[in-house]
Amino acid sequence: DIQMTQSPSSLSASVGDRVTITCRAGQNIGISLNWYQFKPGKAPTLLIYAASTVQSGVPIRFSASGSGTQFTLTIANLQPEDSASYFCQQSYRTPNTFGQGTKVETK
Amino acid sequence: EIHLVESGGGQVQPGGSLRLSCTGSGFVFAGYSMNWVRQTPGKGLEWLSYISGPGSPSIYYANSVKGRFTISRDNSRSSLFLQMDSLRVEDTALYYCVREVLTATNEYYFDLWGQGTLVTVSA
Repeated sequence: DIQMTQSPSSLSASVGDRVTITCRAGQNIGISLNWYQFKPGKAPTLLIYAASTVQSGVPIRFSASGSGTQFTLTIANLQPEDSASYFCQQSYRTPNTFGQGTKVETK
Repeated sequence: EIHLVESGGGQVQPGGSLRLSCTGSGFVFAGYSMNWVRQTPGKGLEWLSYISGPGSPSIYYANSVKGRFTISRDNSRSSLFLQMDSLRVEDTALYYCVREVLTATNEYYFDLWGQGTLVTVSA
């Protein structure tokens, strides 16, 4: 299985800050990388697919980049509603696998 | 509005069985491949099983559940199922029903999730 490693595991930032989360794949996965947002008690939502394509309806402050083994998710101008856990997922090879998550707290 | 709603979770003893259900609404259920994914505090997110939508049926399982879990669907009822047998303590998790989208460039992603149903396996 392809191991996905996220960093940091958690972070705290102020409203308006720029936040970057990193996801590293255990092997080259091209652009087969997706990002999801999880909030307690709510259905998870897709933020980004194919490494950098923003899902329809996602606020423009969310962006992502990367290819191969290194990927980043950036939240520009952090908002209180962005407090959540964020997970990357590789869809290059079955089984698809997820990073361990990054918990983002807004101060 | 587009939704997936899971049901059927609960508490069961080790070795027991449960059948999870998921109902889709607001979209053409038959047109999509579907998955089950679970989440635990310890192991994080784990993909469990896939069943194809249109075309010839294809089914895949994670090694951790192969031979114990069975995925199925009833498109006439816009429903997805997961029959879970020989349950173990380590199967305790929040189980999500997830819709899959395949792009023209053969990338896929999970674009719609349910809120999950909790399964607890304990004596």
